[in-house]
Amino acid sequence: QKEVEQDPGPLSVPEGAIVSLNCTYSNSAFQYFMWYRQYSRKGPELLMYTYSSGNKEDGRFTAQVDKSSKYISLFIRDSQPSDSATYLCAMSARYSSASKIIFGSGTRLSIRP
Amino acid sequence: ETGVTQSPTHLIKTRGQQVTLRCSSQSGHNTVSWYQQALGQGPQFIFQYYREEENGRGNFPPRFSGLQFPNYSSELNVNALELDDSALYLCASSSLSGRAYNEQFFGPGTRLTVL
Repeated sequence: QKEVEQDPGPLSVPEGAIVSLNCTYSNSAFQYFMWYRQYSRKGPELLMYTYSSGNKEDGRFTAQVDKSSKYISLFIRDSQPSDSATYLCAMSARYSSASKIIFGSGTRLSIRP
Repeated sequence: ETGVTQSPTHLIKTRGQQVTLRCSSQSGHNTVSWYQQALGQGPQFIFQYYREEENGRGNFPPRFSGLQFPNYSSELNVNALELDDSALYLCASSSLSGRAYNEQFFGPGTRLTVL
């Protein structure tokens, strides 16, 4: 069993729709939860990070962490064609020095104009 | 501010050969991490270098090795290449500053194909 599970998609939604992306994990030691966006032929870029449980909002993006269920989500409101990319969830037991980041396999998202 | 750069962009090698990939970290960053991303998968942590010393390693064999230089740039070396080593190799730089959170900034990657 992988430490982090993520539905690979692909997920295709019309422009303006609300998108929900999810990951589950098995390691209770994870404390930092991140979402990265990766465009084709590019490196991942950090969208949001959350420490422990709770919600965090940044513009059209909302990240949720439920540690009791070992479940994290990313919501994208008013989705745009420019949001089309692969979204990677990522987690770390500590996010300082040698903390390795464990990534999900990524969900490919396509926003139809 | 200059971002993370990697070279070369693409590389084709044959089984058994050796390869060296290079990474220049973002200005002001002292830590470099390397990841392997196979097609359709998320990045997997190979190792991290901090102040020229290996500072953590993932589940990769010893034929994956690295270096960090005084200017904090880094190299990833892979010996005895295998077909499964074909992947996108990502470098990420960050700055250890004692804070709890240190964002890692990724470069565009080097696409390695092993034939």
